[in-house]
Amino acid sequence: KAGVTQTPRYLIKTRGQQVTLSCSPISGHRSVSWYQQTPGQGLQFLFEYFSETQRNKGNFPGRFSGRQFSNSRSEMNVSTLELGDSALYLCASSLGGTGVLNEQYFGPGTRLTVT
Amino acid sequence: GQQLNQSPQSMFIQEGEDVSMNCTSSSIFNTWLWYKQDPGEGPVLLIALYKAGELTSNGRLTAQFGITRKDSFLNISASIPSDVGIYFCAGPPGTYKYIFGTGTRLKVLA
Repeated sequence: KAGVTQTPRYLIKTRGQQVTLSCSPISGHRSVSWYQQTPGQGLQFLFEYFSETQRNKGNFPGRFSGRQFSNSRSEMNVSTLELGDSALYLCASSLGGTGVLNEQYFGPGTRLTVT
Repeated sequence: GQQLNQSPQSMFIQEGEDVSMNCTSSSIFNTWLWYKQDPGEGPVLLIALYKAGELTSNGRLTAQFGITRKDSFLNISASIPSDVGIYFCAGPPGTYKYIFGTGTRLKVLA
């Protein structure tokens, strides 16, 4: 079974631009979560989607948004990029379900550099 | 943001030695996950724990769900060079969300 895939793997953007990252979960997984990883803050939860609905979100500004499609693929968008948005963005998928998150499996991440 | 406390932060060990690390939370969890991350890659799930007191192994790795439900432990026996990496614990403080530990960086001296 193929793992979680994320595209692109690397991205360089300029301050003020926007960016869209993509995640394809493991086949059969319906929950997708997004995380930001930086050396200073570690792994921080951004949001979780299940059946195209956002069920939880972390403490990030509204510039960070996401969505999930009917095939469970997910995208996250960051608008008006700031230097501090430079990070490894990780997507994780799980079976999902009501009231549970189950085991999460991560993709390789997208390394975003904002200059 | 909210994080779990992991210790030690880093450790150097000799190849063949056993390794122990732990993770503590201020909240009670019903799940503990342990991951390993190599540079430039996403974390890889090592072990999942669902019950207080549970002891689960995956090869040379053994993890335990603390009976207080506020801590978890990971042991690696007979370490080898490929064990190098950062180990993270994770737990759910609520529904549909995991928080992660600060990580234990393991370095193995051959």
